[in-house]
Amino acid sequence: KNEVEQSPQNLTAQEGEFITINCSYSVGISALHWLQQHPGGGIVSLFMLSSGKKKHGRLIATINIQEKHSSLHITASHPRDSAVYICAVNSGNTPLVFGKGTRLSVIA
Amino acid sequence: DTEVTQTPKHLVMGMTNKKSLKCEQHMGHRAMYWYKQKAKKPPELMFVYSYEKLSINESVPSRFSPECPNSSLLNLHLHALQPEDSALYLCASSPPTPDRGGYTFGSGTRLTVV
Repeated sequence: KNEVEQSPQNLTAQEGEFITINCSYSVGISALHWLQQHPGGGIVSLFMLSSGKKKHGRLIATINIQEKHSSLHITASHPRDSAVYICAVNSGNTPLVFGKGTRLSVIA
Repeated sequence: DTEVTQTPKHLVMGMTNKKSLKCEQHMGHRAMYWYKQKAKKPPELMFVYSYEKLSINESVPSRFSPECPNSSLLNLHLHALQPEDSALYLCASSPPTPDRGGYTFGSGTRLTVV
């Protein structure tokens, strides 16, 4: 079974800072997902990656398949970015394997 | 329609009650999932339906009974629950293979068992 490790577990940033959250996994995958969950809320899918880099607004996700590593970057962070960010992977038709999440707090 | 809709959003039930959670999607996704999430933990997979057939049951107690009446609907029937079953229950859907797109999650049902 794939093991997904995220770092850091908790992160506090000042508004405007550039933020990086890291994810590594142990076994080859079909796709890696970055998910966002606000307190008490449901989960929103931010990105699905199988190679390279994707950008959506202030969010950028990259993946290095050879190194089994992905990063999620947030530029010009804002208090509304405060949430838990979860990395999850799947291989073929297997269900998602989740990391434990990174709890981000952005302070104005 | 690009959403997964879950009802109800909140549910309080006694240990002798029978209730059902509902999940609906109209994206043509043929895989649907139930997850249980406790506070400050990642979601835990409970059940997977693929093409309306149960394909994965993660050793979930029989007091949770899933049902997939058609390709758009997924139910979770609850009976004789315990207080430790209180959690956020999330439904998700996806295309049958990852190359056809990612997962869509519902906003969840927050269940409290008293």
